[in-house]
Amino acid sequence: GAVVSQHPSWVICKSGTSVKIECRSLDFQATTMFWYRQFPKQSLMLMATSNEGSKATYEQGVEKDKFLINHASLTLSTLTVTSAHPEDSSFYICSAGGWGVFDGYTFGSGTRLTVV
Amino acid sequence: GNSVTQMEGPVTLSEEAFLTINCTYTATGYPSLFWYVQYPGEGLQLLLKATKADDKGSNKGFEATYRKETTSFHLEKGSVQVSDSAVYFCALGNAGGTSYGKLTFGQGTILTVHP
Repeated sequence: GAVVSQHPSWVICKSGTSVKIECRSLDFQATTMFWYRQFPKQSLMLMATSNEGSKATYEQGVEKDKFLINHASLTLSTLTVTSAHPEDSSFYICSAGGWGVFDGYTFGSGTRLTVV
Repeated sequence: GNSVTQMEGPVTLSEEAFLTINCTYTATGYPSLFWYVQYPGEGLQLLLKATKADDKGSNKGFEATYRKETTSFHLEKGSVQVSDSAVYFCALGNAGGTSYGKLTFGQGTILTVHP
């Protein structure tokens, strides 16, 4: 079945630095990837939608200059948290799927980001 | 817009008890409905899905029926196990149009099963 690999699974960084999170589809071509954010004991909130080869579409309230999304190939999307602050600490999860493969999309295992 | 409402938790049950987690939705068009499960520190796993009215999704003893008349997709299991302890999310997705593939999640329900 469809497998999505997300890396790293956890990261600790200092305030002011940038962190890159990768989301890879291992056995299918993901024309669309979604990035979600989950606060402790809360639900998942969609941050942005990325389509291969085009700019990401951000949800209202999400700073596009802070959360840079790149979807340069059909198997890789990256989320870069720039100039991270402690309030950016959260669990970030990607999901990937291709047109006609919509079965709820396949999720990565998530990345726990802690900014100190 | 789309929204999903789940019953509030946490839910605590004894092993072999019957489980129901309520989920209702509001949506435009003809959405697909999903239940996801999240174990501690992990990502989401698709538990089951239904793509049209009256469809029943089932997996690992869990079931949910897509009820258009009551806009509901309640999750049930006849006999829970300790290993079922996790957070359960009801979700809604549109399979077409500009919202293709986007999922709207409920707030999640924490289930704890005791031996």
